Amino acid sequence: DAMVIQNPRYQVTQFGKPVTLSCSQTLNHNVMYWYQQKSSQAPKLLFHYYDKDFNNEADTPDNFQSRRPNTSFCFLDIRSPGLGDAAMYLCATSRPLEKLFFGSGTQLSVL
Amino acid sequence: EDKVVQSPLSLVVHEGDTVTLNCSYEVTNFRSLLWYKQEKKAPTFLFMLTSSGIEKKSGRLSSILDKKELFSILNITATQTGDSAVYLCAAHYNTDKLIFGTGTRLQVFP
Repeated sequence: DAMVIQNPRYQVTQFGKPVTLSCSQTLNHNVMYWYQQKSSQAPKLLFHYYDKDFNNEADTPDNFQSRRPNTSFCFLDIRSPGLGDAAMYLCATSRPLEKLFFGSGTQLSVL
Repeated sequence: EDKVVQSPLSLVVHEGDTVTLNCSYEVTNFRSLLWYKQEKKAPTFLFMLTSSGIEKKSGRLSSILDKKELFSILNITATQTGDSAVYLCAAHYNTDKLIFGTGTRLQVFP
């Protein structure tokens, strides 16, 4: 089945140690999103790509970076994770202005 | 500031009750309103609404959009314990941004 796949499902990192989360899609969608969701809160948009055009939210910390080397893959890099970055990270894809398809998420723990 | 606000934040009902969840939005260049259901995993899609006054229906769930008053409602009739979840409303705006509301946590007891 066509899917949005996130790896890993669970990621544990140390305070300050860089970590990369990955997302791939077989839907050939133009738009890819990264959301951060903390416990009992709504998903918060970090950034999104429309094809290769990168769109950063104004309140996304500089600690968060993203790469989209091709249509299928998108990466979220956290350069120096802090305790406050522990969260579920959701990747989603869509065609422009259509519904989003979500991956299963990566639960990040920071020790 | 672009925002989506949902009410109530939390709702507790008994099986068989009917519930109405509310969503209001203020965004630039509104395109569509989406509803998602989230259990202990990623959100699953329920409805996408683009036109005012046209109800979308799927089983016991229905939703409608009012673009003049900038809100949407999600109705669930004859609730079941399996409906227990967080219901998220999201607004699609500008070219392709989508932001979520705070969510409504629904608990359905037998």
